[in-house]
Amino acid sequence: SAVISQKPSRDICQRGTSLTIQCQVDSQVTMMFWYRQQPGQSLTLIATANQGSEATYESGFVIDKFPISRPNLTFSTLTVSNMSPEDSSIYLCSVDPGAETQYFGPGTRLLVL
Amino acid sequence: QKEVEQNSGPLSVPEGAIASLNCTYSDRVSQSFFWYRQYSGKSPELIMSIYSNGDKEDGRFTAQLNKASQYVSLLIRDSQPSDSATYLCAVKVTGTASKLTFGTGTRLQVTL
Repeated sequence: SAVISQKPSRDICQRGTSLTIQCQVDSQVTMMFWYRQQPGQSLTLIATANQGSEATYESGFVIDKFPISRPNLTFSTLTVSNMSPEDSSIYLCSVDPGAETQYFGPGTRLLVL
Repeated sequence: QKEVEQNSGPLSVPEGAIASLNCTYSDRVSQSFFWYRQYSGKSPELIMSIYSNGDKEDGRFTAQLNKASQYVSLLIRDSQPSDSATYLCAVKVTGTASKLTFGTGTRLQVTL
C-alpha cells in the first residue's frame, strides 16, 4: 500500500475563486488519479496524472477547469478553477503503486458559497 | 446501462449474521474487481481484490466472482456494528491503464 496525504483537508471558498489541492505520497508511483465525490454519490474519475506527460481527462472534465500538475513521482496538484457552488464536493487523489489497485488519500472537502 | 451497478440499500442485517453485497458489470473485458469500504466522512479503503472466477477469502470477508454472469459479490460473516458503512464495487477494464469504474455503493447497516 501507500501513505497518502492531501492538503487542505477542507476549505470554504467564494464563487469565482480557485483552489489548489495537493497530494503527497510516501513512495514513488507512476500513476496518480483525481476523483470527485459529490454528496451522496459515488466516485467519478476526473483525470489520470502520470509524471512527465499531460494529464488525461475523462469525459465532462476539461483542463481549463481542473488543471493538474505532476512535477515528480510523489506529488500532484489539482486546481479547481473559477468555482461555483456545483463544485462543492470531496476531491480525492489515489495512487496505483504497481499492484494494479488504487489507494486513496483522505480527501479534501470543498464547500463553495 | 450503467457500467457497474449496485443496490444502493440500505441493507440491514443483525449483528452476527452474514451480509451479502452484490455488484454487476456490463463490460465483458473487465479483468480486475475490487471492494472498497467507505465510512461516512472518510475516504474509501480497499478491502478485497479478486481477479479469477471463484471465491477469495480474507478473514470475515469473502469475494466471489462469476465472469460468465458478470457479477461479483462480497460476503461479510459474523457482521459487526463496525461493518456499517458504504461498500463500493470497482472494476478495472483491460487496457485502461489501471482506471477504475465505481458503482454507486451499497449502504450496510448492522443492527444490534
